[in-house]
Amino acid sequence: QQQVKQSPQSLIVQKGGIPIINCAYENTAFDYFPWYQQFPGKGPALLIAIRPDVSEKKEGRFTISFNKSAKQFSLHIMDSQPGDSATYFCAASPGEGAQKLVFGQGTRLTINP
Amino acid sequence: DTGVSQDPRHKITKRGQNVTFRCDPISEHNRLYWYRQTLGQGPEFLTYFQNEAQLEKSRLLSDRFSAERPKGSFSTLEIQRTEQGDSAMYLCASSLSVGVGDTQYFGPGTRLTVL
Repeated sequence: QQQVKQSPQSLIVQKGGIPIINCAYENTAFDYFPWYQQFPGKGPALLIAIRPDVSEKKEGRFTISFNKSAKQFSLHIMDSQPGDSATYFCAASPGEGAQKLVFGQGTRLTINP
Repeated sequence: DTGVSQDPRHKITKRGQNVTFRCDPISEHNRLYWYRQTLGQGPEFLTYFQNEAQLEKSRLLSDRFSAERPKGSFSTLEIQRTEQGDSAMYLCASSLSVGVGDTQYFGPGTRLTVL
């Protein structure tokens, strides 16, 4: 029940395309869903986060879509650039008490020029 | 740079040795987390401090692992009698509690290799 399942494991997109990364969860106590970007040799950096009271959130070229009934959420990257090539992790937090994040397995994204 | 810092960045040790890692959080942050990340996987929660109190420990944290956060500032993570399975990236994160969903800022990690 603590798992967050992420897909695909890897994704290759041409520059300007819209990569989509999907995550699903089981634990209905999760109520905070961030996405992190990680470059090799670096720690994860927060990209964008959503609470389940909204179905979509946009920040710049990054959009989270959230489907509470399906317990799924996804990251869309508009006008993707080679500099977006990184590993992306979805995560979820129970909200109450410890804010420990439960991470997905990660998606290695490559944007070809 | 006022981000989360970790020291050392890399540590190579022999099986059976003890190692200690340090994390310096963002100065005003009262919450501090330790995670472990193995190759090709997402980070896994290890333990969490609110100020100096260790409030939660994962079952992943065997009794060979101990973490402290004296005076609610920096934190240390010690692994005793290291095993090859301890080889991983150890990540520290900090946050300022604002209720639900406070943003966790991660440090660059300490990569541990146990030979």
